[in-house]
Formats: sequence, C-alpha cells, structure tokens
Amino acid sequence: GAVVSQHPSRVICKSGTSVKIECRSLDFQATTMFWYRQFPKQSLMLMATSNEGSKATYEQGVEKDKFLINHASLTLSTLTVTSAHPEDSSFYICSATRPLLAGGPSTQYFGPGTRLLVL
Amino acid sequence: GESVGLHLPTLSVQEGDNSIINCAYSNSASDYFIWYKQESGKGPQFIIDIRSNMDKRQGQRVTVLLNKTVKHLSLQIAATQPGDSAVYFCAENEAGANSKLTFGKGITLSVRP
Repeated sequence: GAVVSQHPSRVICKSGTSVKIECRSLDFQATTMFWYRQFPKQSLMLMATSNEGSKATYEQGVEKDKFLINHASLTLSTLTVTSAHPEDSSFYICSATRPLLAGGPSTQYFGPGTRLLVL
Repeated sequence: GESVGLHLPTLSVQEGDNSIINCAYSNSASDYFIWYKQESGKGPQFIIDIRSNMDKRQGQRVTVLLNKTVKHLSLQIAATQPGDSAVYFCAENEAGANSKLTFGKGITLSVRP
C-alpha cells in the first residue's frame, strides 16, 4: 500500500496562534511531499513542494514566512501556519510521492487532510 | 497559461449505469495523468493513472482513456454504485516537473438509487 497520514485531522485555534500539521508516509519513503490547501467546492491549490533535507519551494503568492515547512526525514513533513488568522481557515492536505519505476513519473498519494478553523 | 479543466461541473447517473467523466488538458508537455476521487471531508484517493505512451488503461470497474491528439482524458466507471458518489479530479504531470501535479476543477458525481 501507500498510506499517508496527517495529524491532527481537525484543529480549532485562536487568531494569532500557530498551528503545526504533520504529514507522514507510513509504509514507504517519500522522495517528495507536497502541501495543498482547498476551499469548499474548489480544487486543490498547491502551496509548496518539500524535499527532505532541503528548503521547500513555494508557489507564487504563498508566503513562506507564514507557512513554514520542515521536511525532517523521508517519512515526515510538517506545515506550521504561523500567526493564524480567520482567512487561513481551510482544508490542508499533504501528499507524498512514491516512484513507480526507476526514472518514471511518481504517483502522489494523499493524506486525509486537516481541517483548520481559526476563530 | 496552461490549465487542466473539466467539461461539466456535475454529473448525475442512475445506479447501475456507466459513468463517463471527461477532462481536457492543454499542456502538451504533460506525460502522466491521474484520476482522483475525493469524498466529503477526506483527502483525494488515487483511482487510476496512465502514461502518455498509452491510450487506454483498465482497472477494477474503471477505465481511463487518453487522446493526446485532442488533449482529452476520460474516466469510465462501470456499473456505478452509490459509493462512487464523490468529486473526481483529473491531474496532469509535466515531464521533468518533479512530480508536480496540476489539478482540474473537479466534477461531482451523484448516483441516484
């Protein structure tokens, strides 16, 4: 299998606090992990690409100081939403890639998502 | 810019019928395509994929068709079941793009009992 977990599944916090979300690949080593956010009835929006041991690559318009990404190992990446505000409330989803074949494209497997509500 | 889009926002089918979900893509450099299913409040679930050197691939009750000439991708679900009700996304990967995916807008499949 290719199981990806996220923790927590749901978090409610006060405005101004920071929230950390963990993403783990449980049964494989992920070469790359991705972080997305999704608003209701919309598609997934890529926030950043995370490679183990290197700095994350952020998509245009995503504040790297606001959304801190740490990729400590081949099975763990964390996203920290710093000084969260109500507009940061969203569904955050991570994915991890597992190479299909040597040199071939990698399939992304997604975590179950984290629902963040900032009051 | 390049984009991946879906023709229809919603699709309603009768239980037991076959479903066909369509997707258009515009990036001719894309060489890998994936269909995902997302149920409410959950992360996307991998359904089936296809590489650009193929035009058809079959899974259990699902078939993906790729027409590179017109840049069209479709997902066929045989004998649609209530459990198939979800939002379906097509996604494309550009060759050499470090597995980065571009997602379509999503289509809701509603199965009538």
